[in-house]
Amino acid sequence: EAGVAQSPRYKIIEKRQSVAFWCNPISGHATLYWYQQILGQGPKLLIQFQNNGVVDDSQLPKDRFSAERLKGVDSTLKIQPAKLEDSAVYLCASKTGRNTEAFFGQGTRLTVV
Amino acid sequence: ELKVEQNPLFLSMQEGKNYTIYCNYSTTSDRLYWYRQDPGKSLESLFVLLSNGAVKQEGRLMASLDTKARLSTLHITAAVHDLSATYFCAAGSGSARQLTFGSGTQLTVLP
Repeated sequence: EAGVAQSPRYKIIEKRQSVAFWCNPISGHATLYWYQQILGQGPKLLIQFQNNGVVDDSQLPKDRFSAERLKGVDSTLKIQPAKLEDSAVYLCASKTGRNTEAFFGQGTRLTVV
Repeated sequence: ELKVEQNPLFLSMQEGKNYTIYCNYSTTSDRLYWYRQDPGKSLESLFVLLSNGAVKQEGRLMASLDTKARLSTLHITAAVHDLSATYFCAAGSGSARQLTFGSGTQLTVLP
């Protein structure tokens, strides 16, 4: 079974530039998460989708971050414009049922300079 | 708002010793997850605990859940160097399947 795919793996941008991350979850997984993990901290939820609908985006900085999940499969997370404090690893995860574990992708390491 | 706290945050232990990592959560949660993360890598699922009193074991790791105390533990038996990693617990909440993570415990097993 293929895992959660994310791209790119690494990205370096200057502050105020824009960046987009892509995630392809495990086939059949209805729930998709985007997490931000700052170095030395636990993952922090940015947004959660159930199929193509947003379940929770309360911690998403909506003035600069946006996310979509078209057709309930792939998802993109965008940052526009980026700030230095956005430097982190952005993890995508997916799961099936309520009581199953979430499977994580390799993440995208973003450095904003 | 669900909050998850782990302790200790850093743990150095010698090979062959036993130790326990603690995970407390602030509000009702009926499912608890443990993950392992190696440096520069993503999170690997270790255990899913779904009921009060649940205990799961895999090799030298054993996880348990006490929902009344809002506490989960990850016990390490006779540690070996390969167990060096950061361990995260995450509590699930609500019907929306949300996951809230702790800050992680960075474990270093010394020879």
